[in-house]
Amino acid sequence: AQSVTQLDSHVSVSEGTPVLLRCNYSSSYSPSLFWYVQHPNKGLQLLLKYTSAATLVKGINGFEAEFKKSETSFHLTKPSAHMSDAAEYFCVVSYMEYGNKLVFGAGTILRVKS
Amino acid sequence: SQTIHQWPATLVQPVGSPLSLECTVEGTSNPNLYWYRQAAGRGLQLLFYSVGIGQISSEVPQNLSASRPQDRQFILSSKKLLLSDSGFYLCAGLRATNTGELFFGEGSRLTVL
Repeated sequence: AQSVTQLDSHVSVSEGTPVLLRCNYSSSYSPSLFWYVQHPNKGLQLLLKYTSAATLVKGINGFEAEFKKSETSFHLTKPSAHMSDAAEYFCVVSYMEYGNKLVFGAGTILRVKS
Repeated sequence: SQTIHQWPATLVQPVGSPLSLECTVEGTSNPNLYWYRQAAGRGLQLLFYSVGIGQISSEVPQNLSASRPQDRQFILSSKKLLLSDSGFYLCAGLRATNTGELFFGEGSRLTVL
């Protein structure tokens, strides 16, 4: 069955330190992968996406993610956290072989300490 | 650009009352549209999706229903709300990029008392 696992439900970092939000997915021969960010009581905003081009994807606000097919992972990183990065982050996979079925991870809440 | 307008933004309703949340899309025609619910501490749960006017697929059996009376309009309804219907409801559309990318409305916070 298709599944997306965000390994941490909560991550806490200090301002200025690196951010790592982890995402693993069940194998697919041609997935599209996305990271979305959601601030409290707001809709989701696309951070970045991988759609079979370069494996290292750069997004908005300094975030990037690397697609590693052998590890079925798509971890989100940022070199230096900012207070405004505090939000919930969702990893989403589109499985083309299942009619572009979208599967959401459960979300990771990022807390940034001053 | 493709955008979604969703209203009302917040709603407080008594148990047993009806519900209507509305979503309209701009910047694209005949998009796939979705209703998600986000309960506290949980991820997003797909409730309904629609590939066109009058075409609704339900993912989870419940006392909610959806309708798509026009190409760019998607409505979530209930005849009688339950306490468990409380949550944050998001309308989303599928971007016309054929990659699975979604664009979201700002959400509607429903509290059932």
